[in-house]
Amino acid sequence: GAVVSQHPSRVICKSGTSVKIECRSLDFQATTMFWYRQFPKKSLMLMATSNEGSKATYEQGVEKDKFLINHASLTLSTLTVTSAHPEDSSFYICSASPTPGSNQPQHFGDGTRLSIL
Amino acid sequence: KQEVTQIPAALSVPEGENLVLNCSFTDSAIYNLQWFRQDPGKGLTSLLLIQSSQREQTSGRLNASLDKSSGRSTLYIAASQPGDSATYLCAVKRLEYGNKLVFGAGTILRVKS
Repeated sequence: GAVVSQHPSRVICKSGTSVKIECRSLDFQATTMFWYRQFPKKSLMLMATSNEGSKATYEQGVEKDKFLINHASLTLSTLTVTSAHPEDSSFYICSASPTPGSNQPQHFGDGTRLSIL
Repeated sequence: KQEVTQIPAALSVPEGENLVLNCSFTDSAIYNLQWFRQDPGKGLTSLLLIQSSQREQTSGRLNASLDKSSGRSTLYIAASQPGDSATYLCAVKRLEYGNKLVFGAGTILRVKS
């Protein structure tokens, strides 16, 4: 079945550091990928839609200069948390679907636990 | 704006019990509804997807139903096992929202042995 790989699984770094998270579709091409953020015991909050070859679409309230998204190929999207601060600590998850707009299920990565000291 | 609610927020049952998790959504014009499982510190695993034209889907001990007109879905787990312990999330999709999923807050399930 369709597999989405996310890397790294965990990051611990100092405040002010920029952190890059990768999301790869391993056995299918994904023109669209989604980035979510999840707070403890809360549901997933969509941050942005990553579009291959064009700018990402950000949800209301999400700072695009803070959370940089690049979708340079049909199998890779990256999320960079720039100048991270403790309030950016969270669980970040990406997802993709082999055929957007269809009734195919979304497939999710295993998430990245980001901890900013 | 679509809102998704899951009840109960947490559930603890003894092994072997049949149980029902509930999901409701405010806008019935959905394209599909998906149930996911999330283990602690992990991503989401898709369990079942119900298209808007369908009433239910089954996979092993899991059965999901959909009543679009009333904005409700249920996930039925038969003969629960300790390995079923996880957080269960439901999510709805509307194509007008650009294929985005709107998630409920989840139900934390604990099956005691």
